[in-house]
Amino acid sequence: DTGVSQDPRHKITKRGQNVTFRCDPISEHNRLYWYRQTLGQGPEFLTYFQNEAQLEKSRLLSDRFSAERPKGSFSTLEIQRTEQGDSAMYLCASSPRRDQPQHFGDGTRLSIL
Amino acid sequence: AQSVTQPDIHITVSEGASLELRCNYSYGATPYLFWYVQSPGQGLQLLLKYFSGDTLVQGIKGFEAEFKRSQSSFNLRKPSVHWSDAAEYFCAVGENYGGSQGNLIFGKGTKLSVKP
Repeated sequence: DTGVSQDPRHKITKRGQNVTFRCDPISEHNRLYWYRQTLGQGPEFLTYFQNEAQLEKSRLLSDRFSAERPKGSFSTLEIQRTEQGDSAMYLCASSPRRDQPQHFGDGTRLSIL
Repeated sequence: AQSVTQPDIHITVSEGASLELRCNYSYGATPYLFWYVQSPGQGLQLLLKYFSGDTLVQGIKGFEAEFKRSQSSFNLRKPSVHWSDAAEYFCAVGENYGGSQGNLIFGKGTKLSVKP
């Protein structure tokens, strides 16, 4: 069990650029979640995958955001045309079942210049 | 709507003193309840969880929490705080109704500082 891995740890980009983050969940965890955490706040749910199917999306996930989990293993989160308000920590979590705890990665911190 | 309230934004305790962090939730049924800890620039580490059964749950690092249904609370406690416990603590509710996906709803966190 190597834990949830996220890459990159930090991303600095200019407003208007596209960015993509990657999450590798714990192997055999079929449930994968993305959260966003802004300064001074708790994480907020963005989207959920069960295997390769994206089953739920928060209203926080605007049209500029897209997430995939093509083979039911790793997942990517892409933000197009980044805005200042996208600056946040993006956290990925995985779990084997709904009644099992979610294990979090160390997150990707996005800074928009 | 489901929500989690952590009334204390920042708490400072002396090393060796006892600790209690408060958490209240609003949820239609008995939720899954969690406490996570986050060090600066890091992800969240699970301290303990409540799903059902005994309302007093033990976690890692000497932490415990008690689920009180009548008060809709799940307060975190530790009898003797260590300097390494300084971090931010998040209480979370997990949805457990039939069609839910188990998304977590977090409080805003309580930052713990420890005085030597």
